[in-house]
Amino acid sequence: GAVVSQHPSWVICKSGTSVKIECRSLDFQATTMFWYRQFPKQSLMLMATSNEGSKATYEQGVEKDKFLINHASLTLSTLTVTSAHPEDSSFYICSARGDKLDTEAFFGQGTRLTVV
Amino acid sequence: GDSVTQMEGPVTLSEEAFLTINCTYTATGYPSLFWYVQYPGEGLQLLLKATKADDKGSNKGFEATYRKETTSFHLEKGSVQVSDSAVYFCALSDQRWGKSTFGDGTTLTVKP
Repeated sequence: GAVVSQHPSWVICKSGTSVKIECRSLDFQATTMFWYRQFPKQSLMLMATSNEGSKATYEQGVEKDKFLINHASLTLSTLTVTSAHPEDSSFYICSARGDKLDTEAFFGQGTRLTVV
Repeated sequence: GDSVTQMEGPVTLSEEAFLTINCTYTATGYPSLFWYVQYPGEGLQLLLKATKADDKGSNKGFEATYRKETTSFHLEKGSVQVSDSAVYFCALSDQRWGKSTFGDGTTLTVKP
């Protein structure tokens, strides 16, 4: 089956530093990847949609300059949290979808970010 | 826009009890419907899915039927176990664009 791998699974960083999270599709080409954020005991909220080779589309209220998304290849998308602050601490999950309509998106295992 | 409404929790049941978690949705077009399970500190695991009306998804004793007339996708299990304790998310996926919309999640606790 389709496998999406996210790395790292958890990270602790200092306030003001940047953190990069990778999302890889291991056995299929992901033309579209999605990034979600989950606060403790809450649901997942879509942050942005990225298509390979083009700029990401951000949901309303998501700062594009803070959450940099790069989807440079068909198997890799990255989310960089720039100048992280404690309020950015959250669970970030990616999903990836192939190029055929009616195919589902497959989720990574998530990255827990803690900013201290 | 699309939305998913899930039965509020938390839900606490005794082992071997019957489980129902209600889920209704609003969407344009014909979405695919999913149930995901999340154990503490972990990511999402796909529990089951249905891609068209009247489809029944099933896995590990859990079932849900895609009801277009009532826009529902209720999750059921005949006999829950302690190991079923987790957070359950109902979700829909836009078949054209692939992005997912999630319900708020329902926390299930099963006591021995």
